[in-house]
Amino acid sequence: DAGVTQSPTHLIKTRGQQVTLRCSPISGHKSVSWYQQVLGQGPQFIFQYYEKEERGRGNFPDRFSARQFPNYSSELNVNALLLGDSALYLCASRGGNWGTDTQYFGPGTRLTVL
Amino acid sequence: AQSVAQPEDQVNVAEGNPLTVKCTYSVSGNPYLFWYVQYPNRGLQFLLKYITGDNLVKGSYGFEAEFNKSQTSFHLKKPSALVSDSALYFCAVRDMAGANNLFFGTGTRLTVIP
Repeated sequence: DAGVTQSPTHLIKTRGQQVTLRCSPISGHKSVSWYQQVLGQGPQFIFQYYEKEERGRGNFPDRFSARQFPNYSSELNVNALLLGDSALYLCASRGGNWGTDTQYFGPGTRLTVL
Repeated sequence: AQSVAQPEDQVNVAEGNPLTVKCTYSVSGNPYLFWYVQYPNRGLQFLLKYITGDNLVKGSYGFEAEFNKSQTSFHLKKPSALVSDSALYFCAVRDMAGANNLFFGTGTRLTVIP
């Protein structure tokens, strides 16, 4: 079975631009979460969606937004990019919405903001 | 608030020797704890988790972790290290108050010396 997939793999943008990252969860998984991993740090939680509804939001500015589609895939949008948004963006999926559920991560999208 | 701490940025071990990567946690209530591994330019791979039950948890690739409530620790262990175990290891704890997202430590880089 395919794991979590993300696209694109790499992305280079300039300050002020907007970016959209995409994620497809493991087949049958209904929950998708987004994390930001800045170089040298652990991942930080951005959003969680379950059954197409936002179920949680981390401490990120309103420039960050996301949505989940009927097929449970998800997009993360970041507007007005800043240099500090350069990071590896990770998507994770899990079957349900229980704390005991394991999150499985995709390979990530490396975003560079110049 | 929940958090985990990984006190060692770097751990070096000789191939064939036992390895330990340390993690301590701070939560109110019973913790759900996870270990992930990250290889260069890759996403996170799930190793194991502790939810409840036996304090010794066995996971993928021969790894295990010991949950110690009195010391609030969840150290990752392997009896005999392989060169291929060299990677970045993250400990994480479930957010008890929110969307079941994960709070990650800052990571420990493990280097296994041939």
